Amino acid sequence: KAGVTQTPRYLIKTRGQQVTLSCSPISGHRSVSWYQQTPGQGLQFLFEYFSETQRNKGNFPGRFSGRQFSNSRSEMNVSTLELGDSALYLCASSLAGGPSEQYFGPGTRLTVT
Amino acid sequence: QKEVEQNSGPLSVPEGAIASLNCTYSDRVSQSFFWYRQYSGKSPELIMSIYSNGDKEDGRFTAQLNKASQYVSLLIRDSQPSDSATYLCAFDNQAGTALIFGKGTTLSVSS
Repeated sequence: KAGVTQTPRYLIKTRGQQVTLSCSPISGHRSVSWYQQTPGQGLQFLFEYFSETQRNKGNFPGRFSGRQFSNSRSEMNVSTLELGDSALYLCASSLAGGPSEQYFGPGTRLTVT
Repeated sequence: QKEVEQNSGPLSVPEGAIASLNCTYSDRVSQSFFWYRQYSGKSPELIMSIYSNGDKEDGRFTAQLNKASQYVSLLIRDSQPSDSATYLCAFDNQAGTALIFGKGTTLSVSS
């Protein structure tokens, strides 16, 4: 079975721009979660989608948004980029969402200059 | 504020030794606990999940959970240099819709 895929793998953007990241979960998995990882803060939860519905959102500003499509693929959007948004963005999929085991994709490394 | 506490390390052990990684958590409602391994420059990889008190063994790895003490640990027997990585523990939030991660313990196994 193919794993979680994320595109693009690397991005360089300038302050004020917006960015869209994409995640395709493991086949059959219906839940997709997004995390931001930085050296200082570690892995922080952004949001989780299950069957196209956002079920939970972490403590991030409204510039961070996401959505999930009927095929379970998910996108995450960050508007008005700030230098502090530079991070590794990770998507994880799980079979049914909730506390079931989550499997991470390779991540998208975003650098904001 | 739900929190996970891990000793950041580095934890250094010689090859063949037992590495012991510990994690405490603040939320008594949590039911699910996970250990992830993350190599430098890579994404986290799930290595163990544990849901009930006691020990769970998988190969060289043993996870131990004590809900009363809000403590979970990971033992790695016969440590190998390839085990050198950052180990993250995580638990689910009350709604079961998110994982709360610790900041990880860096393990270094010397040959």
